[in-house]
Amino acid sequence: DADVTQTPRNRITKTGKRIMLECSQTKGHDRMYWYRQDPGLGLRLIYYSFDVKDINKGEISDGYSVSRQAQAKFSLSLESAIPNQTALYFCATSGGYGYTFGSGTRLTVV
Amino acid sequence: RKEVEQDPGPFNVPEGATVAFNCTYSNSASQSFFWYRQDCRKEPKLLMSVYSSGNEDGRFTAQLNRASQYISLLIRDSKLSDSATYLCVVNLGSLFGNEKLTFGTGTRLTIIP
Repeated sequence: DADVTQTPRNRITKTGKRIMLECSQTKGHDRMYWYRQDPGLGLRLIYYSFDVKDINKGEISDGYSVSRQAQAKFSLSLESAIPNQTALYFCATSGGYGYTFGSGTRLTVV
Repeated sequence: RKEVEQDPGPFNVPEGATVAFNCTYSNSASQSFFWYRQDCRKEPKLLMSVYSSGNEDGRFTAQLNRASQYISLLIRDSKLSDSATYLCVVNLGSLFGNEKLTFGTGTRLTIIP
């Protein structure tokens, strides 16, 4: 099994729908992150969490929310999806030496 | 100014050649530095850390110049399997403290047979 698992792998949703992306990890790390990647813009931080009771906004948190249900689980929600949220989303964990990424969720909002 | 800047490329290099990428960062308080590799439509993976003293891992050499705030990656004897996008990554936090990495947009490398 992968160290960091993201579900779903691909998703097409309609404008205005609520959608949740899930991330779970088996590495036992406290720190978890959500990034989105767009062509030409690189990886941009949406939210991060340094432990279960700690949630922080990243540089592009508007339109997103997160929940840290347990040390191993960190989910990202789009409350009302819009087309410019079409992107590749990555979850990552860190034990203090670089990140381990999940395989990504490709989200398309139509 | 972007926090981390890289030449996006593409770099098209013949197999066996040596290729070098540079990256600049804007925050002089940055503490730790990495190169990540990302294959098309896949997740980024840690390639190597970057130290002021330089570090080498097989055909790959990374260097950090704090005075000029740039990081370099040198790939010798390039292989077809080196084709990927290389991401320059900077951490403002301490290496073993809280960590929040900032990624460059990446440099695309294609090795030509």
